[in-house]
Amino acid sequence: GDSVTQMEGPVTLSEEAFLTINCTYTATGYPSLFWYVQYPGEGLQLLLKATKADDKGSNKGFEATYRKETTSFHLEKGSVQVSDSAVYFCALSMDTGRRALTFGSGTRLQVQP
Amino acid sequence: KAGVTQTPRYLIKTRGQQVTLSCSPISGHRSVSWYQQTPGQGLQFLFEYFSETQRNKGNFPGRFSGRQFSNSRSEMNVSTLELGDSALYLCASSVTGNWNEKLFFGSGTQLSVL
Repeated sequence: GDSVTQMEGPVTLSEEAFLTINCTYTATGYPSLFWYVQYPGEGLQLLLKATKADDKGSNKGFEATYRKETTSFHLEKGSVQVSDSAVYFCALSMDTGRRALTFGSGTRLQVQP
Repeated sequence: KAGVTQTPRYLIKTRGQQVTLSCSPISGHRSVSWYQQTPGQGLQFLFEYFSETQRNKGNFPGRFSGRQFSNSRSEMNVSTLELGDSALYLCASSVTGNWNEKLFFGSGTQLSVL
């Protein structure tokens, strides 16, 4: 079945450091790919998405590029802030009529001042 | 525009009891999905409703059920609670539930089963 694999956390960075959170997927077909973020005590919020190969999603300084050849969708940000501390989830959705997201296990990011 | 509202925010139940969770989607959204979030299993899809019909169901036992009303509000019910049902239950809404559509999540209901 479809699956998403994320790097283990927590990831601890100093403010203004460069961030990469790795995400790879397995799917029979061409999924849409998403990054969702969960701040403490809150639900998930869509951070960015990409619907086809080579698409780049971007939002709030975060970027991710849909790489079909490596089945990856790594999240990057050039300079993190303390306010970026949260749990980040990579997810995929397939056009199979299932209408459900398959999530990775989540990566906790801690940014220290 | 109000976001997705889930009630109650916290629940404590004992094994064998049943529980009902409520979700009010964003106005105009007709699709409501439910997810279970646990430290061990992560986020898992429970079911999705559109126009009062369940369109999709995840791999959960029949103790987990749901319904959707004509105003798109949704409830999920868990009967004969087990310790392993302790989790954060998240509701998400979207306009049509299309496969690549953005989901809007509520803050969740934290269920503790003692």
